[in-house]
Amino acid sequence: QKEVEQNSGPLSVPEGAIASLNCTYSDRGSQSFFWYRQYSGKSPELIMFIYSNGDKEDGRFTAQLNKASQYVSLLIRDSQPSDSATYLCAVTLAAGNKLTFGGGTRVLVKP
Amino acid sequence: DAGITQSPRHKVTETGTPVTLRCHQTENHRYMYWYRQDPGHGLRLIHYSYGVKDTDKGEVSDGYSVSRSKTEDFLLTLESATSSQTSVYFCAISATDRIFNSPLHFGNGTRLTVT
Repeated sequence: QKEVEQNSGPLSVPEGAIASLNCTYSDRGSQSFFWYRQYSGKSPELIMFIYSNGDKEDGRFTAQLNKASQYVSLLIRDSQPSDSATYLCAVTLAAGNKLTFGGGTRVLVKP
Repeated sequence: DAGITQSPRHKVTETGTPVTLRCHQTENHRYMYWYRQDPGHGLRLIHYSYGVKDTDKGEVSDGYSVSRSKTEDFLLTLESATSSQTSVYFCAISATDRIFNSPLHFGNGTRLTVT
């Protein structure tokens, strides 16, 4: 089992709809959780970070963290074609205190 | 822009040759990291630094060495390049001083091809 897992996709979403991305992690003691967006051929850029259970909203993005179930989600509301990218989940695992990335979910927003 | 510059942006080299990649930051951040990104493996940590002359290994450090003689510069050296080191290399810095618990800002990457 990978330490941080994401569905590779592609996740196809109609323009204006909600895109829902999930990330599961193996280490129950993990403390910090990040979502990055990466356009093809570009570097990852931070979208959001979340440290506590519950929801955190920033514009059209909402991160949801459930430590008991060991998953973190990203919702993209009112999806736009410009949201088409690969979304990387990253978790600071308690074991070794290292930041570990999932393989990413590719999102395609269709007009 | 977080003020991170990687050089070169592209490099083609032959197996067995040494290669050095440079990361330069203008943010005066303490923590700097080198990652590689490969299809099917995502981003993996090679080495990181928590200060001048203070470095440590990541999960895929074999065949790589690093040096940090100044706060702003973090060098990654492939001592004898192999085809398995063909990859895209990203340098990153921490946005705050909480190593591995802070958001990262990434450089633009170096695409390295070893023939």
